[in-house]
Amino acid sequence: AQRVTQPEKLLSVFKGAPVELKCNYSYSGSPELFWYVQYSRQRLQLLLRHISRESIKGFTADLNKGETSFHLKKPFAQEEDSAMYYCALWSGAGNMLTFGGGTRLMVKP
Amino acid sequence: GAGVSQSPSNKVTEKGKDVELRCDPISGHTALYWYRQSLGQGLEFLIYFQGNSAPDKSGLPSDRFSAERTGGSVSTLTIQRTQQEDSAVYLCASSSPGGRNTIYFGEGSWLTVV
Repeated sequence: AQRVTQPEKLLSVFKGAPVELKCNYSYSGSPELFWYVQYSRQRLQLLLRHISRESIKGFTADLNKGETSFHLKKPFAQEEDSAMYYCALWSGAGNMLTFGGGTRLMVKP
Repeated sequence: GAGVSQSPSNKVTEKGKDVELRCDPISGHTALYWYRQSLGQGLEFLIYFQGNSAPDKSGLPSDRFSAERTGGSVSTLTIQRTQQEDSAVYLCASSSPGGRNTIYFGEGSWLTVV
């Protein structure tokens, strides 16, 4: 069965500092991974997906199959990055997204 | 509509009462999902509808929970004999067949059982 683990419930950094939100997964097939973000009083929305290999709002995430990880990184955090971040794994067999427990990122001024 | 629409946005109910939560997906989206977001618990998959196929109910926590999707569009999640542990935000999401597995969420229905 697939599983997504986000070991940190809360991550607090100062503005301008680098940030890394950790995500590890377990899945027997070929994974498709996503990061979703929920800003205060807004709906959950897609931030980025690994197959696009894109940078969104300065965030990047690289799929490491050897370490079964998909950590989200940004070199210089901004206050507006404060939000709840969820890592998710698409299970083609089950046709659904399995989410991690989420990490709340707080960027202090 | 422009996005996934859910109602009510907030619902306070007494323990033991039944509640119905409604979801109107994005027009043309054949897949519809219900998730539950509990404080400190992350997102929990409940049920998945795809077109006319039988729904995947594997995430429903008990037989007090059920969901329907009429006409391949609007869905209703029903919770019977509500308990305090049912208090959570219930999120609906939808996706299109060619949507590259991207799902779009509604704003959620916040349920409080007192």
